[in-house]
Amino acid sequence: GQNIDQPTEMTATEGAIVQINCTYQTSGFNGLFWYQQHAGEAPTFLSYNVLDGLEEKGRFSSFLSRSKGYSYLLLKELQMKDSASYLCAVSENRGSTLGRLYFGRGTQLTVWP
Amino acid sequence: DAGVIQSPRHEVTEMGQEVTLRCKPISGHNSLFWYRQTMMRGLELLIYFNNNVPIDDSGMPEDRFSAKMPNASFSTLKIQPSEPRDSAVYFCASSSPHRDRYSGNTIYFGEGSWLTVV
Repeated sequence: GQNIDQPTEMTATEGAIVQINCTYQTSGFNGLFWYQQHAGEAPTFLSYNVLDGLEEKGRFSSFLSRSKGYSYLLLKELQMKDSASYLCAVSENRGSTLGRLYFGRGTQLTVWP
Repeated sequence: DAGVIQSPRHEVTEMGQEVTLRCKPISGHNSLFWYRQTMMRGLELLIYFNNNVPIDDSGMPEDRFSAKMPNASFSTLKIQPSEPRDSAVYFCASSSPHRDRYSGNTIYFGEGSWLTVV
């Protein structure tokens, strides 16, 4: 399996910027994903990185360094609705595991007014 | 476009009863995943199908669990007999055979089936 590590909880205030880090160990790296999951709902896709660097999508950005096994999700101009769990997931391309995603435990972000 | 459709959304059953969860993947997707989510263990992959064939079932907890995918548009996850420790949210997810620069092999989740075994 994979070792995907991310903080359990984070808090921030409305309007602020927060960075959620994720480290991983895997062979046959085939991409890194971030998902958002609100309480009682399904995970929804936020971002995908397969090459090193920053991918920006509106208020959310995701960064990847493959050599360091490291990614972060950056959330800007935080809103109350951003309170959710953020899941880091890694895709492998090794043999029978092609296409499957390994998920971290998630980081519960609470945004305060 | 319709997303991944799961049923039932909620089920409460007594220990020892059989539970069948159903999933219809997104049309055109050729990979289907069954995940289980609990507070203790997070999101765990139970089994993964590609083109209706089970590829990796190493996450299936024990013989009480079984999954089938008789065709490209339907899958079931069965628990028989059910136990209280099976209480969890069971998610079905699917992914497309086509990859693009911005989403790769993203998987898309259904709304989940919330199972409580008493």
